[in-house]
Amino acid sequence: QSALTQPASVSGSPGQSITISCTGTSSDVGGYNFVSWYQQHPGKAPKLMIYDVTKRPSGVSNRFSGSKSGNTASLTISGLQAEDEADYYCSSYTSTSTPRVFGGGTKLTVL
Amino acid sequence: EVQLVESGGVVVQPGGSLRLSCAASGFIFDDYTMHWVRQVPGKGLEWVSLISWDGDSTYYADSVKGRFTISRDNNKSSLYLQMNSLRPEDTAFYYCAKDIRDSGWYAGFDSWGQGTLVTVSS
Repeated sequence: QSALTQPASVSGSPGQSITISCTGTSSDVGGYNFVSWYQQHPGKAPKLMIYDVTKRPSGVSNRFSGSKSGNTASLTISGLQAEDEADYYCSSYTSTSTPRVFGGGTKLTVL
Repeated sequence: EVQLVESGGVVVQPGGSLRLSCAASGFIFDDYTMHWVRQVPGKGLEWVSLISWDGDSTYYADSVKGRFTISRDNNKSSLYLQMNSLRPEDTAFYYCAKDIRDSGWYAGFDSWGQGTLVTVSS
């Protein structure tokens, strides 16, 4: 069982917006602004999309945005495109003995 | 351009040992914390271990604690993972990943290697 909880799947049509949630506890998501999001296409390495809850690395489309409320972080993708279809993982720093945790991953399908 | 190239993944019997390597280039290696992350084929990501820039601080996932040892050689810009007492459930792609910031290990991973497959099977 993953430390952070994500929905197994979400879907949306091209041009629409979708949001993926990532729920943790006060020891991780809720306690620190160190949530990051990763996109992974089949057979490829993960790619950083969002870090520090809301920041986008250089080169990542501004269609991707992050937010947090309490123990739940969210990744929003606006103007869905076919190439956004991938698995998405959240990750957070945690104050436990294992300082980093991942969510179980969410499969995004672009209809 | 940051490059991380893992090697060492093979088929190994349960109870066996293996050492993975990760060759880094394109950044000042000894400024950054480095991580190992693994992924069972078709499953999610699991953080495995991290080592601070100077090697003084190391952390492990509970699932590998006492069996795996992370190390680094800053002179060779290389990261390692010594894996002992391997179990079938250790079968996975193993990725090395660079921390986002040059201080601490709080922020996450901004560069990843292509992964190396470790298969534990008799």
